[in-house]
Amino acid sequence: GNSVTQMEGPVTLSEEAFLTINCTYTATGYPSLFWYVQYPGEGLQLLLKATKADDKGSNKGFEATYRKETTSFHLEKGSVQVSDSAVYFCALSDRAAGNKLTFGGGTRVLVKP
Amino acid sequence: GAVVSQHPSWVICKSGTSVKIECRSLDFQATTMFWYRQFPKQSLMLMATSNEGSKATYEQGVEKDKFLINHASLTLSTLTVTSAHPEDSSFYICSATGRNQPQHFGDGTRLSIL
Repeated sequence: GNSVTQMEGPVTLSEEAFLTINCTYTATGYPSLFWYVQYPGEGLQLLLKATKADDKGSNKGFEATYRKETTSFHLEKGSVQVSDSAVYFCALSDRAAGNKLTFGGGTRVLVKP
Repeated sequence: GAVVSQHPSWVICKSGTSVKIECRSLDFQATTMFWYRQFPKQSLMLMATSNEGSKATYEQGVEKDKFLINHASLTLSTLTVTSAHPEDSSFYICSATGRNQPQHFGDGTRLSIL
């Protein structure tokens, strides 16, 4: 079956530091890959996505590249802000599985001023 | 952009009552809606998938008689937690997808059963 593994948090950073959250996946087909962000007490917001190998998703300074050879989709941001404090979820969807999303466990990020 | 509205955002009720949560897609036709449950500091657990006009498909271990799902139109799905008990307390999140749309999530409903 499909699965997503992402690094456990919490990740604590200072403002303007570089952020990386590792994500690897296992899928039987050719999945699309996503990063979602969840702010306290809210639902999930789509941060970025990539639908095929070597695609790079980017949004709000965040980037992730779909690496089929390493089955990875690591999230990066060059200079974080306090407002980036949230929980980040890596996910995949697979047409063979009815486009259901399979989520990683989430990584809590705390950015200190 | 696409928006999914979920209501109510927070509900507290007594044990034994039934609670209905609404999920609406505001600017696209949601052919499929998903219902998730999230425990504190954990990931989302898919409960069921509902397609407009047909019965919901429940994930293994989810009681369909406890969690009633209705998806009667292309813009509305409801989740009713019947005869709720304290162990049903959780954060429930819906999402919606349609033609050429990724899943868009509601803001969630925090359910507390006393």
